[in-house]
Amino acid sequence: GAGVSQSPSNKVTEKGKDVELRCDPISGHTALYWYRQSLGQGLEFLIYFQGNSAPDKSGLPSDRFSAERTGGSVSTLTIQRTQQEDSAVYLCASSLVLGNEQFFGPGTRLTVL
Amino acid sequence: GQNIDQPTEMTATEGAIVQINCTYQTSGFNGLFWYQQHAGEAPTFLSYNVLDGLEEKGRFSSFLSRSKGYSYLLLKELQMKDSASYLCAVKDSGAGSYQLTFGKGTKLSVTP
Repeated sequence: GAGVSQSPSNKVTEKGKDVELRCDPISGHTALYWYRQSLGQGLEFLIYFQGNSAPDKSGLPSDRFSAERTGGSVSTLTIQRTQQEDSAVYLCASSLVLGNEQFFGPGTRLTVL
Repeated sequence: GQNIDQPTEMTATEGAIVQINCTYQTSGFNGLFWYQQHAGEAPTFLSYNVLDGLEEKGRFSSFLSRSKGYSYLLLKELQMKDSASYLCAVKDSGAGSYQLTFGKGTKLSVTP
């Protein structure tokens, strides 16, 4: 069955470069979430989208991070001028409605050298 | 805000029963989730409790006491494949009720 997909699965970049991470949610799911998971840490909420409403960006760690969701489906998380502390696994999740059970994608492992 | 505590690591024997505890201090509460995460994989949903009591689902059960800010996940008849991290997550009841705040997870190792 079609679950949440993310690309790329792995991304290695140099400090200072910009990166884009993509998430395809489950078809029909109106809510989409981005999380970050660093080694030994819990999942850190970054941002969520609900339908066509303005996203809640309260979890974004700095203004280098931004995200958009086009047509209420695919989402892109962009990190500008990457820093080594941005290295983590970035997980995307979607749910049928806001706040319900979230289904996670496999994540993108970002390594900033 | 939310503060969620769970043990970092646990070890148990195949066939045994293990209980993973989670305590939370929150400004609001609207439900508690348990997720399982195998190494290198995405978290998968196990259970959701919003009312006090025990929810049983096969070999896994989850308990909630809202007055105590306490939950546990009970795994019975442990199998080697149950070796994974178990994440406790609390849903806020405030304006951010969509948000889940996750604990750091409990890494469970099942030994033969």
